[in-house]
Amino acid sequence: EDQVTQSPEALRLQEGESSSLNCSYTVSGLRGLFWYRQDPGKGPEFLFTLYSAGEEKEKERLKATLTKKESFLHITAPKPEDSATYLCAVQEYRGGGADGLTFGKGTHLIIQP
Amino acid sequence: DTAVSQTPKYLVTQMGNDKSIKCEQNLGHDTMYWYKQDSKKFLKIMFSYNNKELIINETVPNRFSPKSPDKAHLNLHINSLELGDSAVYFCASSQDPRVGSRLNEQFFGPGTRLTVL
Repeated sequence: EDQVTQSPEALRLQEGESSSLNCSYTVSGLRGLFWYRQDPGKGPEFLFTLYSAGEEKEKERLKATLTKKESFLHITAPKPEDSATYLCAVQEYRGGGADGLTFGKGTHLIIQP
Repeated sequence: DTAVSQTPKYLVTQMGNDKSIKCEQNLGHDTMYWYKQDSKKFLKIMFSYNNKELIINETVPNRFSPKSPDKAHLNLHINSLELGDSAVYFCASSQDPRVGSRLNEQFFGPGTRLTVL
């Protein structure tokens, strides 16, 4: 069973058309939920970390929110340069040790001029 | 200055060969990671490591081994390469998430595209 599910898989918007990307997760103890942006041929670029339900963070046209079961990445009035794959990842509390992130499969976002 | 760097960017090799990918971070982090991104762009953790402990994802073949000469480097050695090893490999680093600090976001390198022929 997937721990992190992102939807939609792909999204095409007109420039200025606001929308939201969804990330639902199932973990026993959430250490943190992370949003990354990945451009073709590059490594994931860190955007936000959210730690507890109700938390919100903003950066330019992006706003991330977190509930106990899901996170949303809201994109307001997007521009073509916002086109990328957006990745959601979770980190769990475990018995010890440095833990990697569990990623979703991403949402491929295209903003048309 | 590049925060997390990897070399080489591209690696093309024959089945059965042994190869290494190098990773360096200048962020002062004490935890480093290796991820594999397959042809469907799905990122999966392979290893996480700090100066005390190596955590291995149980799905990783033992042909893969991380080697850390110091806190700023975590190299990936791969023995007896197979066709299915073709992928993009990403190195990442963070502060130790066990410390309790909330600043445990991971920063990724640019990736190494490995092609096994």
